[in-house]
Amino acid sequence: SQELEQSPQSLIVQEGKNLTINCTSSKTLYGLYWYKQKYGEGLIFLMMLQKGGEEKSHEKITAKLDEKKQQSSLHITASQPSHAGIYLCGADMGAGGTSYGKLTFGQGTILTVHP
Amino acid sequence: EAGVAQSPRYKIIEKRQSVAFWCNPISGHATLYWYQQILGQGPKLLIQFQNNGVVDDSQLPKDRFSAERLKGVDSTLKIQPAKLEDSAVYLCASSPFARGPYEQYFGPGTRLTVT
Repeated sequence: SQELEQSPQSLIVQEGKNLTINCTSSKTLYGLYWYKQKYGEGLIFLMMLQKGGEEKSHEKITAKLDEKKQQSSLHITASQPSHAGIYLCGADMGAGGTSYGKLTFGQGTILTVHP
Repeated sequence: EAGVAQSPRYKIIEKRQSVAFWCNPISGHATLYWYQQILGQGPKLLIQFQNNGVVDDSQLPKDRFSAERLKGVDSTLKIQPAKLEDSAVYLCASSPFARGPYEQYFGPGTRLTVT
């Protein structure tokens, strides 16, 4: 089984709608990173969460990490065609307050936004 | 500042041939990563360098894959001989330090097709 599960695998929404992508780990994490990827391109960093209960926002994208540091959600408000792409969560599986220094990625969520 | 550079962007080879990819990380970044991303999956770490030393190569198929980072700057990843299942995007990333919480900066990737 995957160490990091993302859901849903794909999402099709109408422009202007809100949406949420989830990322779940079976272990407590040191940190959780969200990236966006356009087809055929590299990963673009969105946000990093490290503290339990932490929440960060950038423009219309909000990411949260639960208190146990095992689940994260990425929420997009009033989606736009520019939000389309593949969203990836990457986890630093370090425990006991120590970073592993490497990321384990979920399988990604493909987001399509129809105008 | 300049981002992570990779070349070539695309490569098509026949099975059993050899191929090499090049990566130039962000200036001053001590840590360099090579990931393999198969279509429909998240990136999987192949090897991590700290300066010119290997930190983690536990998921590198050492019978056919090799990587080096001479002088702690540029890096090359080689596959010899290639198999059909090696078709993927090979991503290079760099980070200022070996352990978090620091963002990994990704290059555009090299798309390899093995026929």
